[in-house]
Amino acid sequence: DQQVKQNSPSLSVQEGRISILNCDYTNSMFDYFLWYKKYPAEGPTFLISISSIKDKNEDGRFTVFLNKSAKHLSLHIVPSQPGDSAVYFCAVKFYAGGTSYGKLTFGQGTILTVHP
Amino acid sequence: GAVVSQHPSWVICKSGTSVKIECRSLDFQATTMFWYRQFPKQSLMLMATSNEGSKATYEQGVEKDKFLINHASLTLSTLTVTSAHPEDSSFYICSARDGSIQFSGPYNEQFFGPGTRLTVL
Repeated sequence: DQQVKQNSPSLSVQEGRISILNCDYTNSMFDYFLWYKKYPAEGPTFLISISSIKDKNEDGRFTVFLNKSAKHLSLHIVPSQPGDSAVYFCAVKFYAGGTSYGKLTFGQGTILTVHP
Repeated sequence: GAVVSQHPSWVICKSGTSVKIECRSLDFQATTMFWYRQFPKQSLMLMATSNEGSKATYEQGVEKDKFLINHASLTLSTLTVTSAHPEDSSFYICSARDGSIQFSGPYNEQFFGPGTRLTVL
């Protein structure tokens, strides 16, 4: 059962335009949401995150929006640059079993291609 | 900072052999390391969580006798795929958590290695 879904396997955008990557989740109890960026043959790197008490978090060209009622989050990249071309994963973090660290559950990823 | 390395980056082996993958935190002490597996066009699936000096905790459906995890030091965790078969071919990624930093909430706690591509013939 896929708890985190990225329904668009790929997205193609022109340089300078906005890229919008979407993610849906099933469990309304999730509290923390993160976006990671991954280049081929590399591990994911953290991009931006948001807590469920917020509906927006912005960091430079990257903004994450959270719609709790719809169980949907999105990542906006404005303006898009060719260097942004990568696979983007959304993830939810939850604390399990009394641990002090969070475990991550990832979506399937969306391949973003930004054309010059 | 927060660099995690994996070795080897890719490996090809014959069916029935065992393969060991190393995950190292280069500039911090990792009290907890995570092992993920990624199939083509699919998400990263958490296989197990290892804490230094204790047994690993495996996710449901992951065979602990098949995927042996050792976290003997604060900078090294190893994943051994025993008696590998073609269906074990996958991309294996580790991540490490800096135990000195008390993160909570939405902050990123895991730093990922570059991954290891395993192909079993």
